[in-house]
Amino acid sequence: GPKVLQIPSHQIIDMGQMVTLNCDPVSNHLYFYWYKQILGQQMEFLVNFYNGKVMEKSKLFKDQFSVERPDGSYFTLKIQPTALEDSAVYFCASSPGLGGAEQFFGPGTRLTVL
Amino acid sequence: QQKVQQSPESLTVSEGAMASLNCTFSDGTSDNFRWYRQHSGKGLEVLVSIFSDGEKEEGRFTAHLNRASLHVSLHIREPQPSDSAVYLCAMRDTGANTGKLTFGHGTILRVHP
Repeated sequence: GPKVLQIPSHQIIDMGQMVTLNCDPVSNHLYFYWYKQILGQQMEFLVNFYNGKVMEKSKLFKDQFSVERPDGSYFTLKIQPTALEDSAVYFCASSPGLGGAEQFFGPGTRLTVL
Repeated sequence: QQKVQQSPESLTVSEGAMASLNCTFSDGTSDNFRWYRQHSGKGLEVLVSIFSDGEKEEGRFTAHLNRASLHVSLHIREPQPSDSAVYLCAMRDTGANTGKLTFGHGTILRVHP
């Protein structure tokens, strides 16, 4: 089936540094999502993105977070500066539409902030 | 905000025996309920997506939705060791119509040969 790729699979950085997580969504999809899963906890919605704009964001999407997809390239999540509580697995998803359209998930990027 | 609870937290079954997983939600306004599977280190694989009360079958996976009871279940027929994974219930939040999904904590399923 359609695949969403995420790069890198693991990232270790020092607190205060900037990090960019990359997502390569399914080619004809229009809606993009980031979810966050802290170890042992449930997966939680961060943000979704359509037509160059954030549609909805949760309270977990702090001011230090930003998303973009310049010119149809990677859909990125940038955290600047990082904090210890940002350590988690971040999952990207994409879908062709809303409503019942399926969201296809990537394998996740494990971010460790030291 | 939707709340999603899954039970049991973990389940061990023998190969070939039916496995049943449960999910309850806080209100019935969502229009779409889904079951995903997550193998260790992998992304989420959608198993069944159900919109209406009743039953929906996708291969060996059957979902039952009862909005009045705020309940959706997943039944796995003839489970195999390769079905061992974390199973996640999710529902679409219809409030802002942005496709946002709310997930449960997951059920760890182990299938013994």
